[in-house]
Amino acid sequence: DAKTTQPPSMDCAEGRAANLPCNHSTISGNEYVYWYRQIHSQGPQYIIHGLKNNETNEMASLIITEDRKSSTLILPHATLRDTAVYYCIPLTGNQFYFGTGTSLTVIP
Amino acid sequence: GAVVSQHPSWVICKSGTSVKIECRSLDFQATTMFWYRQFPKQSLMLMATSNEGSKATYEQGVEKDKFLINHASLTLSTLTVTSAHPEDSSFYICSARLGGIYEQYFGPGTRLTVT
Repeated sequence: DAKTTQPPSMDCAEGRAANLPCNHSTISGNEYVYWYRQIHSQGPQYIIHGLKNNETNEMASLIITEDRKSSTLILPHATLRDTAVYYCIPLTGNQFYFGTGTSLTVIP
Repeated sequence: GAVVSQHPSWVICKSGTSVKIECRSLDFQATTMFWYRQFPKQSLMLMATSNEGSKATYEQGVEKDKFLINHASLTLSTLTVTSAHPEDSSFYICSARLGGIYEQYFGPGTRLTVT
Protein backbone atom coordinates (compact mmCIF):
# COMPACT_ATOMS: atom_id res chain seq x y z
CA ASP A 1 0.00 0.00 0.00
CA ALA A 2 1.24 3.47 -0.85
CA LYS A 3 2.07 5.57 2.19
CA THR A 4 1.50 9.29 2.35
CA THR A 5 3.18 12.11 4.21
CA GLN A 6 1.37 15.38 4.84
CA PRO A 7 2.27 18.28 7.12
CA PRO A 8 0.19 17.97 10.29
CA SER A 9 -1.08 21.54 10.18
CA MET A 10 -1.14 24.69 8.08
CA ASP A 11 -2.59 28.17 8.30
CA CYS A 12 -3.87 30.23 5.42
CA ALA A 13 -5.21 33.78 5.29
CA GLU A 14 -8.79 34.12 4.13
CA GLY A 15 -8.98 34.93 0.43
CA ARG A 16 -5.53 33.62 -0.31
CA ALA A 17 -4.67 30.36 -2.03
CA ALA A 18 -4.10 27.36 0.20
CA ASN A 19 -1.52 24.92 -1.11
CA LEU A 20 -1.56 21.56 0.62
CA PRO A 21 1.29 19.19 -0.23
CA CYS A 22 1.30 15.42 -0.10
CA ASN A 23 4.17 13.02 -0.58
CA HIS A 24 3.24 9.60 -1.94
CA SER A 25 6.59 8.36 -3.18
CA THR A 26 5.59 4.69 -3.07
CA ILE A 27 2.49 5.09 -5.19
CA SER A 28 2.14 2.55 -7.98
CA GLY A 29 1.56 3.42 -11.59
CA ASN A 30 -2.16 2.74 -11.63
CA GLU A 31 -3.13 4.20 -8.27
CA TYR A 32 -5.22 7.32 -8.36
CA VAL A 33 -4.64 10.05 -5.78
CA TYR A 34 -7.80 11.20 -4.04
CA TRP A 35 -8.31 14.19 -1.80
CA TYR A 36 -11.01 14.38 0.84
CA ARG A 37 -11.61 16.80 3.66
CA GLN A 38 -13.33 16.41 6.99
CA ILE A 39 -14.89 19.28 8.81
CA HIS A 40 -15.09 18.72 12.53
CA SER A 41 -17.49 15.92 13.53
CA GLN A 42 -18.75 15.36 9.99
CA GLY A 43 -18.17 12.69 7.38
CA PRO A 44 -15.39 13.26 4.85
CA GLN A 45 -16.22 15.20 1.70
CA TYR A 46 -14.82 14.33 -1.71
CA ILE A 47 -12.75 17.10 -3.28
CA ILE A 48 -10.89 15.86 -6.33
CA HIS A 49 -8.83 13.00 -7.71
CA GLY A 50 -6.26 12.41 -10.42
CA LEU A 51 -3.85 9.93 -11.92
CA LYS A 52 -1.19 11.71 -13.97
CA ASN A 53 -2.60 14.93 -15.32
CA ASN A 54 -3.43 18.02 -13.34
CA GLU A 55 -7.10 18.31 -12.55
CA THR A 56 -9.43 21.18 -11.71
CA ASN A 57 -13.02 21.34 -10.57
CA GLU A 58 -15.24 23.86 -8.87
CA MET A 59 -13.67 23.20 -5.50
CA ALA A 60 -9.96 22.89 -6.12
CA SER A 61 -7.05 22.11 -8.38
CA LEU A 62 -4.77 19.11 -8.12
CA ILE A 63 -1.20 19.30 -9.32
CA ILE A 64 0.60 15.96 -9.66
CA THR A 65 4.34 15.87 -10.27
CA GLU A 66 5.56 14.14 -13.39
CA ASP A 67 7.09 11.29 -11.38
CA ARG A 68 3.82 11.03 -9.42
CA LYS A 69 5.68 10.96 -6.13
CA SER A 70 3.89 14.00 -4.80
CA SER A 71 0.89 16.18 -5.36
CA THR A 72 -0.49 19.52 -4.21
CA LEU A 73 -4.08 20.43 -3.58
CA ILE A 74 -4.83 24.07 -4.26
CA LEU A 75 -7.82 25.91 -2.86
CA PRO A 76 -7.64 29.09 -4.93
CA HIS A 77 -9.45 31.47 -2.57
CA ALA A 78 -9.69 29.99 0.89
CA THR A 79 -12.68 30.87 3.05
CA LEU A 80 -13.34 30.25 6.72
CA ARG A 81 -15.53 27.31 5.74
CA ASP A 82 -12.49 25.59 4.25
CA THR A 83 -11.09 25.03 7.75
CA ALA A 84 -10.89 21.23 7.94
CA VAL A 85 -8.57 18.24 7.94
CA TYR A 86 -7.46 17.42 4.41
CA TYR A 87 -6.56 13.87 3.48
CA CYS A 88 -4.50 12.75 0.51
CA ILE A 89 -5.31 9.11 -0.23
CA PRO A 90 -3.93 6.79 -2.89
CA LEU A 91 -6.65 4.38 -3.94
CA THR A 92 -5.49 0.90 -3.07
CA GLY A 93 -7.65 -1.66 -4.76
CA ASN A 94 -11.17 -1.11 -3.54
CA GLN A 95 -10.42 0.68 -0.27
CA PHE A 96 -9.38 4.06 1.01
CA TYR A 97 -6.90 4.01 3.87
CA PHE A 98 -6.76 7.37 5.56
CA GLY A 99 -3.50 8.81 6.84
CA THR A 100 -3.22 11.56 9.42
CA GLY A 101 -3.98 14.41 7.02
CA THR A 102 -3.30 18.14 7.27
CA SER A 103 -5.34 20.33 9.57
CA LEU A 104 -5.91 23.54 7.64
CA THR A 105 -6.97 26.63 9.54
CA VAL A 106 -8.16 29.59 7.51
CA ILE A 107 -7.53 32.80 9.41
CA PRO A 108 -9.74 35.90 8.99
CA GLY B 1 -23.78 14.90 -5.53
CA ALA B 2 -24.65 11.52 -4.13
CA VAL B 3 -26.08 11.49 -0.61
CA VAL B 4 -25.44 8.97 2.12
CA SER B 5 -27.38 9.08 5.37
CA GLN B 6 -26.80 7.43 8.73
CA HIS B 7 -29.19 6.72 11.53
CA PRO B 8 -29.02 7.47 14.34
CA SER B 9 -26.70 10.47 14.36
CA TRP B 10 -25.86 9.80 17.96
CA VAL B 11 -26.68 7.06 20.46
CA ILE B 12 -25.95 6.34 24.09
CA CYS B 13 -26.21 2.79 25.31
CA LYS B 14 -25.34 0.80 28.39
CA SER B 15 -22.42 -1.56 28.55
CA GLY B 16 -23.37 -5.06 27.42
CA THR B 17 -26.17 -4.02 25.09
CA SER B 18 -26.15 -4.06 21.29
CA VAL B 19 -26.55 -1.09 18.99
CA LYS B 20 -27.49 -1.04 15.31
CA ILE B 21 -26.41 1.75 12.98
CA GLU B 22 -27.97 2.15 9.54
CA CYS B 23 -26.29 3.51 6.44
CA ARG B 24 -28.37 4.38 3.38
CA SER B 25 -27.49 5.64 -0.06
CA LEU B 26 -30.40 7.95 -0.81
CA ASP B 27 -30.18 8.65 -4.51
CA PHE B 28 -28.02 5.90 -5.92
CA GLN B 29 -27.40 2.20 -5.67
CA ALA B 30 -24.18 1.32 -3.92
CA THR B 31 -22.43 -1.83 -4.99
CA THR B 32 -20.01 -1.52 -2.13
CA MET B 33 -20.28 0.07 1.28
CA PHE B 34 -17.56 0.66 3.83
CA TRP B 35 -17.52 1.16 7.58
CA TYR B 36 -14.97 3.29 9.39
CA ARG B 37 -14.32 4.14 13.01
CA GLN B 38 -12.74 7.35 14.23
CA PHE B 39 -11.51 8.02 17.75
CA PRO B 40 -11.08 11.61 18.98
CA LYS B 41 -8.23 13.48 17.29
CA GLN B 42 -7.40 10.45 15.16
CA SER B 43 -7.90 9.57 11.54
CA LEU B 44 -10.54 7.28 10.09
CA MET B 45 -9.79 3.60 10.38
CA LEU B 46 -11.36 1.24 7.87
CA MET B 47 -13.21 -1.55 9.65
CA ALA B 48 -14.82 -3.53 6.85
CA THR B 49 -15.94 -3.62 3.26
CA SER B 50 -19.31 -5.03 2.33
CA ASN B 51 -20.86 -5.93 -0.98
CA GLU B 52 -24.59 -6.38 -1.39
CA GLY B 53 -25.65 -9.95 -0.76
CA SER B 54 -22.30 -11.23 0.40
CA LYS B 55 -20.36 -11.42 3.64
CA ALA B 56 -18.35 -8.42 4.71
CA THR B 57 -14.58 -8.42 4.52
CA TYR B 58 -13.06 -7.23 7.78
CA GLU B 59 -9.76 -5.48 8.21
CA GLN B 60 -7.11 -7.13 10.31
CA GLY B 61 -7.76 -6.70 14.01
CA VAL B 62 -11.49 -6.00 13.66
CA GLU B 63 -13.63 -8.59 15.41
CA LYS B 64 -16.26 -9.78 12.96
CA ASP B 65 -18.38 -11.34 15.72
CA LYS B 66 -18.49 -8.07 17.58
CA PHE B 67 -19.13 -5.77 14.64
CA LEU B 68 -21.85 -7.44 12.57
CA ILE B 69 -22.37 -6.01 9.12
CA ASN B 70 -25.38 -6.72 6.95
CA HIS B 71 -25.63 -5.36 3.42
CA ALA B 72 -29.12 -6.51 2.57
CA SER B 73 -29.79 -4.25 -0.39
CA LEU B 74 -28.04 -1.89 -2.75
CA THR B 75 -29.11 1.07 -0.64
CA LEU B 76 -28.80 -0.18 2.93
CA SER B 77 -26.01 -1.50 5.11
CA THR B 78 -26.17 -1.94 8.87
CA LEU B 79 -23.47 -2.19 11.50
CA THR B 80 -24.40 -3.81 14.79
CA VAL B 81 -22.05 -3.36 17.70
CA THR B 82 -22.73 -6.36 19.92
CA SER B 83 -22.14 -6.42 23.66
CA ALA B 84 -20.85 -2.88 23.57
CA HIS B 85 -18.23 -1.72 26.02
CA PRO B 86 -16.99 1.79 26.84
CA GLU B 87 -13.94 1.27 24.62
CA ASP B 88 -16.32 0.90 21.66
CA SER B 89 -17.35 4.52 22.12
CA SER B 90 -16.37 6.20 18.89
CA PHE B 91 -17.52 8.00 15.77
CA TYR B 92 -18.71 5.44 13.21
CA ILE B 93 -18.82 6.54 9.58
CA CYS B 94 -20.08 4.65 6.57
CA SER B 95 -19.41 5.33 2.93
CA ALA B 96 -20.84 4.04 -0.32
CA ARG B 97 -19.30 3.61 -3.71
CA LEU B 98 -21.29 4.43 -6.80
CA GLY B 99 -21.06 1.64 -9.32
CA GLY B 100 -17.81 1.63 -11.24
CA ILE B 101 -16.85 5.09 -10.09
CA TYR B 102 -14.18 4.98 -7.41
CA GLU B 103 -15.40 8.01 -5.55
CA GLN B 104 -16.78 7.22 -2.18
CA TYR B 105 -19.54 9.23 -0.60
CA PHE B 106 -19.51 9.40 3.14
CA GLY B 107 -22.34 9.56 5.61
CA PRO B 108 -22.44 12.18 8.36
CA GLY B 109 -21.35 9.71 11.02
CA THR B 110 -22.86 8.23 14.17
CA ARG B 111 -21.52 9.13 17.58
CA LEU B 112 -21.71 6.10 19.89
CA THR B 113 -21.23 6.50 23.62
CA VAL B 114 -21.25 3.39 25.79
CA THR B 115 -21.73 4.01 29.49
